[in-house]
Amino acid sequence: EPEVTQTPSHQVTQMGQEVILRCVPISNHLYFYWYRQILGQKVEFLVSFYNNEISEKSEIFDDQFSVERPDGSNFTLKIRSTKLEDSAMYFCASSEAVWPQHFGDGTRLSIL
Amino acid sequence: AQSVTQLGSHVSVSEGALVLLRCNYSSSVPPYLFWYVQYPNQGLQLLLKYTSAATLVKGINGFEAEFKKSETSFHLTKPSAHMSDAAEYFCAVSRTQGGSEKLVFGKGTKLTVNP
Repeated sequence: EPEVTQTPSHQVTQMGQEVILRCVPISNHLYFYWYRQILGQKVEFLVSFYNNEISEKSEIFDDQFSVERPDGSNFTLKIRSTKLEDSAMYFCASSEAVWPQHFGDGTRLSIL
Repeated sequence: AQSVTQLGSHVSVSEGALVLLRCNYSSSVPPYLFWYVQYPNQGLQLLLKYTSAATLVKGINGFEAEFKKSETSFHLTKPSAHMSDAAEYFCAVSRTQGGSEKLVFGKGTKLTVNP
């Protein structure tokens, strides 16, 4: 069965550094999403992306965050200057129609 | 705004016993509802979804859920728990209008299955 693939599985970064989280959505999917889960808390929506533009973003997704689909297969989340509170598990999801969304295994981001 | 409340952050059952995980939602528009399961060190896997067709929805691994509008509930059940069901379960709600729609998740319920 096709899967959403995320790399790396674990990223350790110094505070203030830029980080790029990578995702390869399922190949025929058109809608793309990023969510995050801070340890012990809910999974929270960050951003959705369709037709090469952001469809919706949460208040968490401030100017430090950006998303890009640089080619036909990758979908990336960039955090420009990381903060300690950015430490979380980040999930990429994709969907062919709006629902259902298929999730990757996540990237655990640790900010030191 | 939409929200989900999952009653019980931890549920423990014996193998072979009924599993009941509770989910109540709040939505100002007709909702779509989902249950996802997360095994340790893995992503979220869709168990089942309600998208305004039948109110009793069957999913993978013997799970099912019933949409009850009058109770604003979407509880997840399984008649007989198996050790492999031990995981964390998340209920989520989304709007029914078209476009890229976010999922709003509950806090999750960790299910333990005892031998």
